[in-house]
Amino acid sequence: EVQLVESGGGLVKPGGSLRLSCAASGFTFSSYSMNWVRQAPGKGLEWVSSISSSSSYIYYADSVKGRFTISRDNAKNSLYLQMNSLRAEDTAVYYCARVSSSWTRKGPFDYWGQGTLVTVSS
Amino acid sequence: EIVLTQSPGTLSLSPGERATLSCRASQSVSSSYLAWYQQKPGQAPRLLIYGASSRATGIPDRFSGSGSGTDFTLTISRLEPEDFAVYYCQQYGSSPRDTFGQGTKLEIK
Repeated sequence: EVQLVESGGGLVKPGGSLRLSCAASGFTFSSYSMNWVRQAPGKGLEWVSSISSSSSYIYYADSVKGRFTISRDNAKNSLYLQMNSLRAEDTAVYYCARVSSSWTRKGPFDYWGQGTLVTVSS
Repeated sequence: EIVLTQSPGTLSLSPGERATLSCRASQSVSSSYLAWYQQKPGQAPRLLIYGASSRATGIPDRFSGSGSGTDFTLTISRLEPEDFAVYYCQQYGSSPRDTFGQGTKLEIK
C-alpha cells in the first residue's frame, strides 16, 4: 500500500525556518517525481515545488522561489522541503504528492499525504 | 504561468441531478495535461480524471471529463450524496510549473 506521511510542521515566527519531511512507503520511491502542494486555511490548492526522481529537475512556484528548497533522499525514501524566511502568507497545510507515472517527470498526482500544518505567526 | 479559472464558484444541486463544472485555461494546455481532483473537508485531494478524460483507478463512471485546448469540463452524471465536495482542476504538463484552479464548491441544494 502506497503511503506518504508528512511531518515537521508547527508554529514558527516570521523570518524563521522549518524543514518538512515526507516519508514514502509501498512503492519504489526512487522512480517517481514528487511534489509539495499547500493549502492556506479555507483556501484552494497551490502547487509549491517539484523534484524529479533523480533530483535533476527541480521547479518552484514564484511565491516561494529563493526561500524554499526541495530535496530528496532516495536511500531513505524521503522527500524534504526546507523553508526559510517564512512569512504569514506561508501559513498552510503542506501536502506531499506523487506523480502517477514513473515514466514521466510531470503528471497528475495519484497519492497524497495527510498534510502537515505550518503556522507562521508572532 | 498558465492560469486556470473555474466556474461556477459554487454550484447548488440536488442528489440525482447532473453537475457540469468548467475549467478555462489562459493558454492552451498541451496534450490535454489536465486533471480533476475532489477534496472533502479535512481530507487530502483525490485524483478523479487525468489527461482531460481518463478516469483514475476506482473512480465511478458517473464522473467524466472532456475538453481540449483551453476549455475543459468535469461532468457528474447523477449526483450521489458523497459527491458534494470541492473540485479542482490542475494543469501539469504544459509548463514546468503546475497550476491549480481556484476550485468549485458543489453543495447540496
